[in-house]
Amino acid sequence: DAGITQSPRHKVTETGTPVTLRCHQTENHRYMYWYRQDPGHGLRLIHYSYGVKDTDKGEVSDGYSVSRSKTEDFLLTLESATSSQTSVYFCAISQGAPGTDTQYFGPGTRLTVL
Amino acid sequence: GQQVMQIPQYQHVQEGEDFTTYCNSSTTLSNIQWYKQRPGGHPVFLIQLVKSGEVKKQKRLTFQFGEAKKNSSLHITATQTTDVGTYFCAAASGTYKYIFGTGTRLKVLA
Repeated sequence: DAGITQSPRHKVTETGTPVTLRCHQTENHRYMYWYRQDPGHGLRLIHYSYGVKDTDKGEVSDGYSVSRSKTEDFLLTLESATSSQTSVYFCAISQGAPGTDTQYFGPGTRLTVL
Repeated sequence: GQQVMQIPQYQHVQEGEDFTTYCNSSTTLSNIQWYKQRPGGHPVFLIQLVKSGEVKKQKRLTFQFGEAKKNSSLHITATQTTDVGTYFCAAASGTYKYIFGTGTRLKVLA
C-alpha cells in the first residue's frame, strides 16, 4: 500500500462544531484528493489539490474547506458540522494529473455527526 | 454534467460462477479505471483502460472498454470467496477528474 495515513480514523462530534481531518502522505505525490463515500452514491470528490496552496472544488464542496501548506499534508475542515456530513472520508493521492493516473487511497475516516 | 451508471448494484453468486459488472457513461470517456474495495477497506486500483475496444486480463478478471468509449465491463470467471467486495468504475471525460460509479457489491456464497 502507498504511504498514506489519515487521522483520526474515527470521530463522533456534535452538530455545529468544527472538525478537521488530516491526510498525510510519504510518496511525494503532487496531487491529493478528498472524497466522501455514502451508500448509494459511491465516491464523490469534495476538493483536490494540485500543489502546495493550490486547491480546487469537487462536486460536493459546500460546507467543506481544505488547506495544503506542505506537499505531504492535506487537511479537510468541516466548518460547522451537520448530520448530512456523516460519512466515510477517504483521502487519495496521485502522481499524474487528475483524470489520467492511478489514485491511491488512504484507510478512511469514519465521521459521525450527532 | 457527466453521469456514470453502474449495474447491477448487488450480485450474489455461488462460488465458481461467473460475475459481470457494467459501467455506462453519458459522455465519451478519455479513459476508465476499475477499483476494488473489500468490506471495511479502502478502494484499491485494479486497471486503467484507454483505447477504444481495449481488452485487458488479470488472471480471472477481464476488463473491456467499449468501441464508443462510453461503457466498460469487468468480468470475473469462476468467482472465489476472495473476490468479495465492491467494484467501482471511475470515468474520466476530459474534465481532469474521475467520476466514480455507485459500485457493484459482490457476495460469493461458498
